[in-house]
Amino acid sequence: QQQVKQSPQSLIVQKGGISIINCAYENTAFDYFPWYQQFPGKGPALLIAIRPDVSEKKEGRFTISFNKSAKQFSLHIMDSQPGDSATYFCAASRTGNQFYFGTGTSLTVIP
Amino acid sequence: DSGVTQTPKHLITATGQRVTLRCSPRSGDLSVYWYQQSLDQGLQFLIQYYNGEERAKGNILERFSAQQFPDLHSELNLSSLELGDSALYFCASSPHGGSGYGYTFGSGTRLTVV
Repeated sequence: QQQVKQSPQSLIVQKGGISIINCAYENTAFDYFPWYQQFPGKGPALLIAIRPDVSEKKEGRFTISFNKSAKQFSLHIMDSQPGDSATYFCAASRTGNQFYFGTGTSLTVIP
Repeated sequence: DSGVTQTPKHLITATGQRVTLRCSPRSGDLSVYWYQQSLDQGLQFLIQYYNGEERAKGNILERFSAQQFPDLHSELNLSSLELGDSALYFCASSPHGGSGYGYTFGSGTRLTVV
């Protein structure tokens, strides 16, 4: 059973546009929601993370929006750049337990 | 460089063989996690060690085993290898036993079983 569902599977965005990736979870005990960025041949790297006590967190061009009642969270990449082209994974965890990852979104930003 | 070191980077072996993947966590991190990433799948959690003790187990096959040594490095042993075991294997580390903090991933070991 997939604990975290991620969509879309792939995304193509024009340079300067907004990229939006969505995730949904079932377990209301989850209390930490990170996003990871992975470039080909590299390991995933932590991009930004949020806890359920806030509805939004922004770091530069990256924003997480969190909807606790809907059990959904999303990653917004503003002013998308070709260098943002990568695979993005959402994840969720309950303190003391392992992360559950989404299946990933392959983002391509075209110039 | 993330600070998590995985060796080897690439491994090609035949079906039925046994291999050992090695991971050195980031300095000061006590927890090590192993994940498998196949082409058409996301990151599948295999197993977690915290300060030498097994902490959590995921979808790890009986043919696979792991351990964490006193110096905190970890090894993942894969035996009786099958073609379907071909994947990227990632190790990640975190400072604590819990996951309320981000993981730091290594660059992975690409295993090809032929």
